[in-house]
Amino acid sequence: ILNVEQSPQSLHVQEGDSTNFTCSFPSSNFYALHWYRWETAKSPEALFVMTLNGDEKKKGRISATLNTKEGYSYLYIKGSQPEDSATYLCASNQAGTALIFGKGTTLSVSS
Amino acid sequence: NAGVMQNPRHLVRRRGQEARLRCSPMKGHSHVYWYRQLPEEGLKFMVYLQKENIIDESGMPKERFSAEFPKEGPSILRIQQVVRGDSAAYFCASSPAVYTDTQYFGPGTRLTVL
Repeated sequence: ILNVEQSPQSLHVQEGDSTNFTCSFPSSNFYALHWYRWETAKSPEALFVMTLNGDEKKKGRISATLNTKEGYSYLYIKGSQPEDSATYLCASNQAGTALIFGKGTTLSVSS
Repeated sequence: NAGVMQNPRHLVRRRGQEARLRCSPMKGHSHVYWYRQLPEEGLKFMVYLQKENIIDESGMPKERFSAEFPKEGPSILRIQQVVRGDSAAYFCASSPAVYTDTQYFGPGTRLTVL
């Protein structure tokens, strides 16, 4: 059974700090890795989809990297702002199978 | 371009009743996914449907749960004879293509079973 783990479970940073989270997934038969941002009372919002080893994606101050050989992805936020406060989910799947989500990392940014 | 719509947003049922959750995918999307979020748990895949077909129901409980995505109209997740353990948030997502494509989520339906 595919198991996706995220760490840390939660963290609190000050405005302007840069931070990063980790997503671990089984590397065998890897197909795709998704990152989502989920604000309270809203729908999960897609950030990135990555499929190739070494992929790097960037969206404003948020970026992500992918290592399929060792089975991890990092999400980086540069210069955190209070509006970055949310739960960040990663999800992975093998070919022809459904996405398996991690439990998320909840980020709180204080001004 | 309207996003994924789900209704109702909140649903209260007594034990033994039926719950019907609706999901209208984004325009142009023919792939629908249902997820459940139990308290203190992450999103768990339930079922993946295309128009008129169930593609993957590996996450669906074997009894009382069913899903459909008819040619016309929204996708429906039906829970018969609800029990307290069915209380959860149910999310629908849609995509224009298969698993590797970005999935766009609806706001969810929060089901409470009394």
